[in-house]
Amino acid sequence: DVKVTQSSRYLVKRTGEKVFLECVQDMDHENMFWYRQDPGLGLRLIYFSYDVKMKEKGDIPEGYSVSREKKERFSLILESASTNQTSMYLCASSLFRGSTDTQYFGPGTRLTVL
Amino acid sequence: SQQGEEDPQALSIQEGENATMNCSYKTSINNLQWYRQNSGRGLVHLILIRSNEREKHSGRLRVTLDTSKKSSSLLITASRAADTASYFCATDKGAQKLVFGQGTRLTINP
Repeated sequence: DVKVTQSSRYLVKRTGEKVFLECVQDMDHENMFWYRQDPGLGLRLIYFSYDVKMKEKGDIPEGYSVSREKKERFSLILESASTNQTSMYLCASSLFRGSTDTQYFGPGTRLTVL
Repeated sequence: SQQGEEDPQALSIQEGENATMNCSYKTSINNLQWYRQNSGRGLVHLILIRSNEREKHSGRLRVTLDTSKKSSSLLITASRAADTASYFCATDKGAQKLVFGQGTRLTINP
């Protein structure tokens, strides 16, 4: 079974803090994704990566950056957290570059920015 | 931009009944997928149907795809309390990206 893990289930940070959300997948998937999920807005893609050190902006990249130094790990960085970044963050991975096949999701990190 | 839109937004039925959820989309697709999300958790993939397929089954799940109407439906037969969850359709946006709808919240009453 594919396993996607996220570093924290719940996280509370203060405005202006730098926040790191980590995601690890154990199935040698090429693609990794970061989404945020908000009530009434569904899932929105922040960034994705199809290879080590490669990244592409999704629909809402503002205020976020990402890092993929190893194939299995994809980090989401909030350079200076703001209250409007309070949300559920979901990481996902999929097998092949260029494919829109099944995505495997982690359990999510619920981030609260005070 | 949203591609898939689920209907209804919420559905409440009795255990043992069938549940039907619909998804409409705007542009042509290569495939359409359905996912389930239990409260506060990540999404779990249920089924993928390709644009050249019309119907697909997996256990108690039946998915149909009508590309002429740009719509899909997910049928859960003989519902159980454990089926209580939100259900999302996702369509491919090309370049390995999926676009998710806002989901149907399904409640199964005992």
